[in-house]
Amino acid sequence: GDSVTQMEGPVTLSEEAFLTINCTYTATGYPSLFWYVQYPGEGLQLLLKATKADDKGSNKGFEATYRKETTSFHLEKGSVQVSDSAVYFCALRWKETSGSRLTFGEGTQLTVNP
Amino acid sequence: DGGITQSPKYLFRKEGQNVTLSCEQNLNHDAMYWYRQDPGQGLRLIYYSQIVNDFQKGDIAEGYSVSREKKESFPLTVTSAQKNPTAFYLCASNAQGSTEAFFGQGTRLTVV
Repeated sequence: GDSVTQMEGPVTLSEEAFLTINCTYTATGYPSLFWYVQYPGEGLQLLLKATKADDKGSNKGFEATYRKETTSFHLEKGSVQVSDSAVYFCALRWKETSGSRLTFGEGTQLTVNP
Repeated sequence: DGGITQSPKYLFRKEGQNVTLSCEQNLNHDAMYWYRQDPGQGLRLIYYSQIVNDFQKGDIAEGYSVSREKKESFPLTVTSAQKNPTAFYLCASNAQGSTEAFFGQGTRLTVV
């Protein structure tokens, strides 16, 4: 079946450091790919998305490119801030005949220190 | 403002009791979902519904039940048959044809 694998956490960085969180997926065909962010005690918020190969999603300084050849959707940010501390989830989605459901990775906890 | 409201935020249940978690949305979305979140395991789909009066089992439906009598509401009942109910429960919705899902703030259920 479909699956999403994220790099193991937790990740701890200093402010202004470069961030990469790896995400790879296993699926037949070409699903849509997403990054969601979860701040402490809250639900998930969509951070960015890409719906076809070679698309780049971007938001709030975060970027991720849909790589068909490596089945990857790695999240990057050039300079992290303390306010970026959160859990980040990679996810994929199919448009099924009976609905459209998200499959999530395990999540990666990011802590940014001042 | 439009959005998804889950209540209560915290819920305590004694073993052997059923409890119902509320999820309401005013986004006019057709599809609604329930996920369970456990530490280090990401989110797992419990049930989902694409239209009123219809719903399907997700990956971990055992011990749970749902109803969809109104478009705005998708309550989840955690029954006594669920062996490990302590978790964070998230409700989500999306419009048909849209790729973006909107999430509620979650309900943390603890069995005492």
